[in-house]
Amino acid sequence: DTGVSQNPRHKITKRGQNVTFRCDPISEHNRLYWYRQTLGQGPEFLTYFQNEAQLEKSRLLSDRFSAERPKGSFSTLEIQRTEQGDSAMYLCASSMGRGGSPLHFGNGTRLTVT
Amino acid sequence: KQEVTQIPAALSVPEGENLVLNCSFTDSAIYNLQWFRQDPGKGLTSLLLIQSSQREQTSGRLNASLDKSSGRSTLYIAASQPGDSATYLCAVIREYGNKLVFGAGTILRVKS
Repeated sequence: DTGVSQNPRHKITKRGQNVTFRCDPISEHNRLYWYRQTLGQGPEFLTYFQNEAQLEKSRLLSDRFSAERPKGSFSTLEIQRTEQGDSAMYLCASSMGRGGSPLHFGNGTRLTVT
Repeated sequence: KQEVTQIPAALSVPEGENLVLNCSFTDSAIYNLQWFRQDPGKGLTSLLLIQSSQREQTSGRLNASLDKSSGRSTLYIAASQPGDSATYLCAVIREYGNKLVFGAGTILRVKS
């Protein structure tokens, strides 16, 4: 399968714990995006990378959130000191980065904070 | 700030019916518009992408139109099937922008 891959699919954690998610984009794609989606809503932009550079971060991305993309390949999203409000589906997408290129999404990581 | 609205929020139709999903956006200075399908608990599958210079795109039983000046797009599904049941999301990327802004989606149920 050459699509966008996200791991784990599901994560249940207790409030206050740290969690890390991984995204492997389509290999030739140089842009990588993170979105968050809560029930009944569309995805909300969190951040994106052009190769290894993080070029934009949403105000939704508090200082408890950090994303990296070392070497411009896979990316990780870490949430520190999780809160119940962090419970959501975290979606990763990648694209060629040229104007008008479609985004391709992974199946997401569903986070539940108890 | 770009806002995207989708109407209706939910739709239930009998199998075989043709249907239209609506999407509107507040800032007409977009680069392109993309329609996605999302099955429960899954990620998004891209259906159609319309560049701002285009009026419509077709793929099989799906046809998406774009009226950039009025800030509207429609997704037409012909001869609906139970397998079309899903949430349909539209999203726009603004000119010189780098990210998609999504609507909340339309939940479609096609009854057999």
